[in-house]
Amino acid sequence: DTEVTQTPKHLVMGMTNKKSLKCEQHMGHRAMYWYKQKAKKPPELMFVYSYEKLSINESVPSRFSPECPNSSLLNLHLHALQPEDSALYLCASSRTDRRDEQYFGPGTRLTVT
Amino acid sequence: KQEVTQIPAALSVPEGENLVLNCSFTDSAIYNLQWFRQDPGKGLTSLLLIQSSQREQTSGRLNASLDKSSGRSTLYIAASQPGDSATYLCAVTPRGAGGTSYGKLTFGQGTILTVHP
Repeated sequence: DTEVTQTPKHLVMGMTNKKSLKCEQHMGHRAMYWYKQKAKKPPELMFVYSYEKLSINESVPSRFSPECPNSSLLNLHLHALQPEDSALYLCASSRTDRRDEQYFGPGTRLTVT
Repeated sequence: KQEVTQIPAALSVPEGENLVLNCSFTDSAIYNLQWFRQDPGKGLTSLLLIQSSQREQTSGRLNASLDKSSGRSTLYIAASQPGDSATYLCAVTPRGAGGTSYGKLTFGQGTILTVHP
């Protein structure tokens, strides 16, 4: 099973709302990632967690707050977002964060109004 | 800074044709190269991963090659089908100093493939 699941599939939120995106994998992978993808562009890395610790933060604004409660779960907490944050948010995982194949989830389509 | 380029940006072929997608990268210091496909509005599906020490990988009708010294990879699709229509992305994992690039895929802009019946 090489499945990464993400919930919700779609999310519409106002600029004052607080919401969370959830990602889950049961492949025993110890690296998990958040990417942001705008239309007709490749994914852009936001965060990398390795063994439940944040190892890379690509200078993402603090209105995005990642959390890795355990080795199977990855959350992205959203607060006070801007309309330009509307995008497809993708989660991925890999066995480790070193030269291993990354598996992506289906994404959450986020619209900020 | 590593840059990845994919040519062509778009390709339209009739069903049954064999085709080649190209990917080039500017810095040969990489751990691996991965090919993905993405259907509109969906996530990425991993197709093939080639480690830096490998020359090619095959999966079904797909064959990917890697020439690290020249900074090139190709994805060969045999006997194309309408179901192959998607955006194809290549990505490299750069070999950064001190391990700081672990997990940091650098993507190309993608090739939009349309296979018409």
